[in-house]
Amino acid sequence: AQSVAQPEDQVNVAEGNPLTVKCTYSVSGNPYLFWYVQYPNRGLQFLLKYITGDNLVKGSYGFEAEFNKSQTSFHLKKPSALVSDSALYFCAVRPWGDKLIFGTGTRLQVFP
Amino acid sequence: NAGVTQTPKFRILKIGQSMTLQCTQDMNHNYMYWYRQDPGMGLKLIYYSVGAGITDKGEVPNGYNVSRSTTEDFPLRLELAAPSQTSVYFCASESEADEQYFGPGTRLTVT
Repeated sequence: AQSVAQPEDQVNVAEGNPLTVKCTYSVSGNPYLFWYVQYPNRGLQFLLKYITGDNLVKGSYGFEAEFNKSQTSFHLKKPSALVSDSALYFCAVRPWGDKLIFGTGTRLQVFP
Repeated sequence: NAGVTQTPKFRILKIGQSMTLQCTQDMNHNYMYWYRQDPGMGLKLIYYSVGAGITDKGEVPNGYNVSRSTTEDFPLRLELAAPSQTSVYFCASESEADEQYFGPGTRLTVT
């Protein structure tokens, strides 16, 4: 079965430190990969996506993600975390010709 | 652009009641989706539509129905509400660039 895994329920990081939110997937072929963010009591917002090309993609709010085909991973990163980055982050994968599959989400907590 | 709007924001239903969750988008997107979000479970696809007049089931369609008479509107109907339908419901539309835009959600409690 095709799936997306976010192995950490929560990631804690101090403000100013780099952050990584992990995502791995099990999907055949060359899927499209996405990250979305959800702030409290809001809908999800698109952050960034990987379709093809450079393995490092840049998105909104200073976030970037690194695609690693051999490890089937698409980790979200930011060089310097802000308290305002605290939110729920979802990795999502779209197998070719199919619908989006979401991970279970990782709560990012950035401490001042 | 208002984007994707959903009404109501909150609703409490008694078991067996029915209701319609409204969703409207003003971005002229053909693809629209209904998801439910349960704690720790991510988002599950209920129904989707690839254009006016065309709808199809997602992963968890039982107990729900949809219609798509216009490009803008994609209402979700709950018939005979059950406690298992207590959840937060999100409507989304999708651009040509495969990016989904979500509404603010409807928090539904069935008691």
